[in-house]
Amino acid sequence: GAGVSQSPRYKVAKRGQDVALRCDPISGHVSLFWYQQALGQGPEFLTYFQNEAQLDKSGLPSDRFFAERPEGSVSTLKIQRTQQEDSAVYLCASSFTTGTSYEQYFGPGTRLTVT
Amino acid sequence: SQQGEEDPQALSIQEGENATMNCSYKTSINNLQWYRQNSGRGLVHLILIRSNEREKHSGRLRVTLDTSKKSSSLLITASRAADTASYFCATVMNSGYSTLTFGKGTMLLVSP
Repeated sequence: GAGVSQSPRYKVAKRGQDVALRCDPISGHVSLFWYQQALGQGPEFLTYFQNEAQLDKSGLPSDRFFAERPEGSVSTLKIQRTQQEDSAVYLCASSFTTGTSYEQYFGPGTRLTVT
Repeated sequence: SQQGEEDPQALSIQEGENATMNCSYKTSINNLQWYRQNSGRGLVHLILIRSNEREKHSGRLRVTLDTSKKSSSLLITASRAADTASYFCATVMNSGYSTLTFGKGTMLLVSP
């Protein structure tokens, strides 16, 4: 079975451009998470979906960041007016259910470079 | 913000040796998980230990958890070159959702 996929794998954006990052979770997984990983750091939580409902967006760094999962499967993370500090790897993860004792399956990430 | 700190930041050993990494965290937790990250396979779950467990084994991995000290250790026995990667501990808190809060990671280099 396919794992979590993300596209594009690499994205270069000029400062001020908008970008959209896609995540295809494992089929049937209820929970979907977005994380941001800066160079040399561990991933940091951005937002969480349970099916189509965005239940936690406390990690989004600014109102330039927006995420959606309209049909409870594919999710898109959109960053408006990108800034250099947005350069990072954006990781998507999914989990079978909503419980706390389940592992998360991560995609390969999208490396965003803002020039 | 990062929940935990891994120690050491980097570790270099020879194949066949054991590798021990430590993790400390700040708040009470539901469980603690260890993940491995390398360029080839991305971030992969290794093992989960619940707050009421003290030790867990999986193959060549041994994880301990001391909730009184808010710390955990990961031991990899008989290391292989293929174990070269960054290792992260991540905690799940009791309140809220199953969001992972990661530490900064330990970079492990295993030389043949």
